[in-house]
Amino acid sequence: SQKIEQNSEALNIQEGKTATLTCNYTNYSPAYLQWYRQDPGRGPVFLLLIRENEKEKRKERLKVTFDTTLKQSLFHITASQPADSATYLCALPLGGYNKLIFGAGTRLAVHP
Amino acid sequence: EAGVVQSPRYKIIEKKQPVAFWCNPISGHNTLYWYRQNLGQGPELLIRYENEEAVDDSQLPKDRFSAERLKGVDSTLKIQPAELGDSAVYLCASSLAPGTTYTEAFFGQGTRLTVV
Repeated sequence: SQKIEQNSEALNIQEGKTATLTCNYTNYSPAYLQWYRQDPGRGPVFLLLIRENEKEKRKERLKVTFDTTLKQSLFHITASQPADSATYLCALPLGGYNKLIFGAGTRLAVHP
Repeated sequence: EAGVVQSPRYKIIEKKQPVAFWCNPISGHNTLYWYRQNLGQGPELLIRYENEEAVDDSQLPKDRFSAERLKGVDSTLKIQPAELGDSAVYLCASSLAPGTTYTEAFFGQGTRLTVV
């Protein structure tokens, strides 16, 4: 069956370091992959989309890589700040171009 | 421009009672989603609409859940009767139709349902 896996354990890092989050998927070849940020009590907010023919995408301090051979995406936040503390979700279109399925998310805590 | 609007923000009901959630998507967005999110989990897709048509409702517990999207704009999600296990946050999201460049989903703040 198709699965999306993100690290279930929270990631704790020191301010200024680079945070790296992982999204793995199985039994699927998505046309693209998305990353969202979710703060407590709020809905997810879109951050980045990377297509299957793109290796890397950047936006300010964010960088996403997409390895379709490994079936894995890495999400990096450089020069992390306490304000980056949130849960980060990856999402893939499974079974349809617009059918977005989400991973469980990884909680990131950036400490001053 | 207003984002996705959901109401109510919170709802507490007794089990076996009915409950309804309302969603107003972003203007011009043809695709509308309802997700359920349990604590510590990612959003779980319940139903997806393309305009008025429910194109994916395989995850919707049809014995007690129903949804509609009249005129391809606003949508309501209903649970009748509610069970204790239905306690969760219900999220509505919208996006442009397939085939466009921008396919990200825009989410509302959600309705937190507590069934007691």
